[in-house]
Formats: sequence, structure tokens, C-alpha cells
Amino acid sequence: AQTVTQSQPEMSVQEAETVTLSCTYDTSESNYYLFWYKQPPSRQMILVIRQEAYKQQNATENRFSVNFQKAAKSFSLKISDSQLGDTAMYFCAFSGSNYKLTFGKGTLLTVNP
Amino acid sequence: NAGVTQTPKFQVLKTGQSMTLQCAQDMNHEYMSWYRQDPGMGLRLIHYSVGAGITDQGEVPNGYNVSRSTTEDFPLRLLSAAPSQTSVYFCASSISGGWGTEAFFGQGTRLTVV
Repeated sequence: AQTVTQSQPEMSVQEAETVTLSCTYDTSESNYYLFWYKQPPSRQMILVIRQEAYKQQNATENRFSVNFQKAAKSFSLKISDSQLGDTAMYFCAFSGSNYKLTFGKGTLLTVNP
Repeated sequence: NAGVTQTPKFQVLKTGQSMTLQCAQDMNHEYMSWYRQDPGMGLRLIHYSVGAGITDQGEVPNGYNVSRSTTEDFPLRLLSAAPSQTSVYFCASSISGGWGTEAFFGQGTRLTVV
């Protein structure tokens, strides 16, 4: 079974600065997808970014980018120019051949003014 | 296009009571799933369905039942509520089993069992 580990329960960053959230996973599969989801105080789950394991190029969505290290099974999320609206719980998730999403325990990010 | 709709948003149950959490999606998605979210535990899969008439257990299925009679609806039934089922419940749907596709989530149901 796949496991997803987020080792930082909480993080904080000053507005306009850059922050990196860590995620590691364990799998024996060669192709899979990795995701970062954001859950703001409204509780709504929102997809931030997605990475396919076969693609070597790191995914980027505006201020959000990932550092995908397949051999190390690492998938970190970098948020540049942090904004107050980025304050949320962030979940790393894995999807393999069984089509199920496996989530990490989450990192609570607080952006301070 | 409402996406994924969950009802109710909040519910308080007494131990032993039963209830059904409703989930409906209007995106014609084949794959639907239920998660529970507990502090420090992330989201854990309860049950899922890959299409109408097909359901299977996830990581934490005990105490819950599901059925999928239509593509649109995927209700979650608590048979005899226990305090350990106090949680926030999320329903999600995606086009093809979550394989690389975005999962769309409802806004969650906060359930308290007293």
C-alpha cells in the first residue's frame, strides 16, 4: 500500500516570502500521479497542482511549483510571493493504479502580514 | 453546474442513531468516494465507487454502508452512530477513478455524535 508523509504539521511565512512544504511517499509503482490540495478555512478542497511521475519536468501553476524527485520519492511544493489568501491546510496526495487517492496528514500554513 | 453537493453541512446525532449523508454530482463522473477528515489524520478513504452498481471498501469502512444506484448519487449511511464517528466527511468525484484527474470535493459535513 502506498503511504504519503508530510513531516511538517505547521509552518508559517511572512507575506511576499517563499515557503516550501515537504512531502515524501512510498510506492512500488512506476507510473502514478501526485497532487497538492489546499483546504482554506472554508473547508473546501481545491486542487493546487498535479504531477505525473513519467514527466521529468516539474509542474508549475503561477506562484506554485513543485520539486519532484522520483528516485528520492519526494514531492515538495514551493509557494512564491506568499499571500494572505494562501493561509490553509495543504495536503499532498498520491494516485496509483488502484485509482484511489491517498492523502498525507497535512501541513497547516499560516501567512503572516 | 453545481459540482458536488453534500447535505447536510452540519449534523448532531445521538449514539446509536442512524442517518444518511447525501452526495450528488452533476458532472457525469464515474468515480465517487467518501473520506473522513480527523485532526492530524488527513483524509482517509471510507468507501468508493467506480460506477453505478459498483462499490468497494476503502481504508476505514467499518460502521458505514454505501450504495450507487445512479451515476449522480452516492449516499453514505451510518448504521449505528458512535462517538468515534465524529468527524468531517467529504464526498468527491472524478472522471475516471482519480487516475491523474482532478477530484472535485463537496463542502463537507461536520458530524458530531454525542
